[in-house]
Formats: sequence, structure tokens, C-alpha cells
Amino acid sequence: DSGVTQTPKHLITATGQRVTLRCSPRSGDLSVYWYQQSLDQGLQFLIQYYNGEERAKGNILERFSAQQFPDLHSELNLSSLELGDSALYFCASSGAQGIGTQYFGPGTRLLVL
Amino acid sequence: GQQVMQIPQYQHVQEGEDFTTYCNSSTTLSNIQWYKQRPGGHPVFLIQLVKSGEVKKQKRLTFQFGEAKKNSSLHITATQTTDVGTYFCAGLNEKLTFGTGTRLTIIP
Repeated sequence: DSGVTQTPKHLITATGQRVTLRCSPRSGDLSVYWYQQSLDQGLQFLIQYYNGEERAKGNILERFSAQQFPDLHSELNLSSLELGDSALYFCASSGAQGIGTQYFGPGTRLLVL
Repeated sequence: GQQVMQIPQYQHVQEGEDFTTYCNSSTTLSNIQWYKQRPGGHPVFLIQLVKSGEVKKQKRLTFQFGEAKKNSSLHITATQTTDVGTYFCAGLNEKLTFGTGTRLTIIP
């Protein structure tokens, strides 16, 4: 158990819909990262937040957005969903701004029908 | 931007054989980390290498960081079925960039 929690575990929705994925980092970790992993693919970095502020952006679509709240939990919002958005979405946390070990949550499996 | 490539993409070995995955960065790295993702699981941190030429061992796993700090390798001796999964390297420059991963399958 990494100490990072993600909800929901599974999500099934339809094209055009909007969903919110939630992540709670390890106690004391200030950085939260979001990754997308499609079937048989590597980890695509989406975005990083540090202590409430956006720190780095990766290959995140304009239809996607994220935020980190004062209690340090983070949400990833996916809108106008397309079939190709079906993937495993991981959240990871670390204690540092951009370095150090990342601890991954169990992921949210999103299926867009 | 920084790119981190891994080879091979897939590796199938007989149980008991050795396995090696190689990681190459387009830029010099501050450090490199290795993660393992079991089938159906999430990536789990294995180790971090910081110094040029550094070698670290964890039981049957040997990790190396190249002299130029642009490449790294993970070698598993005498693979076991518990070694199955995808091994990712992650290179740190200004940010942590994950490699493309090597999926290891074991033939019992």
C-alpha cells in the first residue's frame, strides 16, 4: 500500500460526458502527478501540482483539467469524453517539487462507451 | 524535450534465464529511478541511482548508471515467475520523465 488513494476504482461512461477523478496523496506529500496509461502503453505524464499550484504540464489535452485543493487532494476533470480517452489514470505523489521517489495510487480505470 | 527510451519493448524468457533492460536518455540526468508494474497493478519504486557509474544490487537485481549519466540498465539474474511485469526507468533532469517500459514475461 503506497498511501496514495484514488477514487473511483472503475468508471464507465459515455462519449461526450464529463467525469472527475480524485486523488489523495500520501500524508505529508505536497506534489501530485497525474498520468494516463492506455492499453499496452507507457506512462504519459499529464500534469503536476505542488502545494496547490500547477508546476509542470505534459501531454494534457485541453478537454482535461486538474486542480489541487488546500487539503492537498487533487482532482482530474475529463470532459467531452471520447472513446480514445479510455485508459488507466494514475495519480502519484512525492514530497518534493519535481524530484524524488513517486508513490503511485492504484489507479482509476476509465471506460468510455 | 527530454526523451527516455527503453529497449527491448518486450522480452520473453524461460524461468531461470537472465534478463536485461536498457534505458537511454537524450539528455544528461541528475539521477535515474526504476519502477516495476505488475500486471493489473501500479508502478512501484525499486531504486534510485545518483552517481556516475553507480552500481546497486537488490538480491537478483543489479542496477547500473552509465558514466555519462545518460543511460542505465537493470539486470535480473535467474528470473522467477514473480519477476513478471513491466519495468520502467525514469530519468530526472528538470523533471522526471518515464521511459517507454520493458514488459517481461516468464515461460515456466
